[in-house]
Amino acid sequence: DADVTQTPRNRITKTGKRIMLECSQTKGHDRMYWYRQDPGLGLRLIYYSFDVKDINKGEISDGYSVSRQAQAKFSLSLESAIPNQTALYFCATSVARGLTGELFFGEGSRLTVL
Amino acid sequence: GNSVTQMEGPVTLSEEAFLTINCTYTATGYPSLFWYVQYPGEGLQLLLKATKADDKGSNKGFEATYRKETTSFHLEKGSVQVSDSAVYFCGNAGGTSYGKLTFGQGTILTVHP
Repeated sequence: DADVTQTPRNRITKTGKRIMLECSQTKGHDRMYWYRQDPGLGLRLIYYSFDVKDINKGEISDGYSVSRQAQAKFSLSLESAIPNQTALYFCATSVARGLTGELFFGEGSRLTVL
Repeated sequence: GNSVTQMEGPVTLSEEAFLTINCTYTATGYPSLFWYVQYPGEGLQLLLKATKADDKGSNKGFEATYRKETTSFHLEKGSVQVSDSAVYFCGNAGGTSYGKLTFGQGTILTVHP
């Protein structure tokens, strides 16, 4: 089983719908992240959490919200989806100590907003 | 904040050719530098890293040297294989962007037999 699991892997929805992407990890890491990937733009950070009580906005948080339900779970919500939120979304984790910055990624959730 | 700029792709090579993918960065402080690889249909995985100036990261025949004077971390491989076809991302973390990793836009590499 994957250490970082994302659900759903693929989702097609309509404009205005509420969508939740879920992430769970078995690595025991304190830090969790949500990124979105768009062609030609690389990965951009949406939100990150250094522990259950610490949640921070990334560079493109508008239109998104998150919930850190437990050390192992970090969900991303789109309250009212719009077409330009069509993208590949990645959850990632990292250890708390040090500044090595190595991230461990899930396999991604492809979201299409019609 | 930190930023990363990678060479434009896509890059197409024949098997056994030499590969260079350029990466330059900006950062306040002394970041760690990374190369991640994304194979088709998968998430990103760490390829190599360097945590201080003049360090060389290496893995699977790939190398990159942390050059503080030129703010660069170019990825090289002497002889690419078809199995190296993937998207490569340069990234930096740390300095004043504590705990966050900033990625470049990615470079698509295709290797033909």
